[in-house]
Amino acid sequence: GQNIDQPTEMTATEGAIVQINCTYQTSGFNGLFWYQQHAGEAPTFLSYNVLDGLEEKGRFSSFLSRSKGYSYLLLKELQMKDSASYLCAVRENDYKLSFGAGTTVTVRA
Amino acid sequence: GAGVSQSPRYKVTKRGQDVALRCDPISGHVSLYWYRQALGQGPEFLTYFNYEAQQDKSGLPNDRFSAERPEGSISTLTIQRTEQRDSAMYRCASSEVGTDTQYFGPGTRLTVL
Repeated sequence: GQNIDQPTEMTATEGAIVQINCTYQTSGFNGLFWYQQHAGEAPTFLSYNVLDGLEEKGRFSSFLSRSKGYSYLLLKELQMKDSASYLCAVRENDYKLSFGAGTTVTVRA
Repeated sequence: GAGVSQSPRYKVTKRGQDVALRCDPISGHVSLYWYRQALGQGPEFLTYFNYEAQQDKSGLPNDRFSAERPEGSISTLTIQRTEQRDSAMYRCASSEVGTDTQYFGPGTRLTVL
C-alpha cells in the first residue's frame, strides 16, 4: 500500500514563513502535487513536482527529493487567507492520486 | 470557463435506499475521477474513466458501488442499498488527460440515516 505522512496542524503568524513537510512511500511515483483546501470547499491545485528540486510560484514554493521520498511546501509572507488545509498527493501511475491526510495551517494576526 | 460541477450538493437518504450522484466535468476533459473524502482526511481514490471507458475501479469499496460515463462526459456514481458507513463527501475531478492536473468539483455530501 501507500504511506503519505504530513503533520496534522501548524500555526504561524501573519507575514511569517511556514514549511509543510511530506514524506511518502508508494508503490509507484509519477509526480507529487500540493493542493489547498479551505474549510467546506474543494481542493485547489497549488503545485506539481516530478523532478528533484524547487519549483517556485509566487509566495508558494515546493521542493522534491525522490531519493528521500520527501517534499515540502513553503508558504511565504503568510496572509490570513492562507489558513486552510494543505494536501500532499503522490501520483502513483498515469492517473491515480494518493493523498495524505492534510495539514491544517492556522495563520494568526 | 466553468469548473467541475456536481449534483446534488447535499443528499440525505435512508439506509437501504439507492442514490445516484452526478458529475459534469470541465468541457473537453477526457479523464474523470471519483473520490471519497472523510472529514479531516484527504480524498480517497474510487475510480477512473478515460473517455467512456472505466479503466480503474479498484477503489470502489464493494459491489454496491458502481459508476458509469456512457458518452464520455457526464458521469454518475451509484450506491445501492446505502449503509450508514457510506456517509461521506463524494468528490469528482477531471483532467485534460490522465497525466495532467486534476481539478476537483464541490462535492456531494451524502448522509445516510
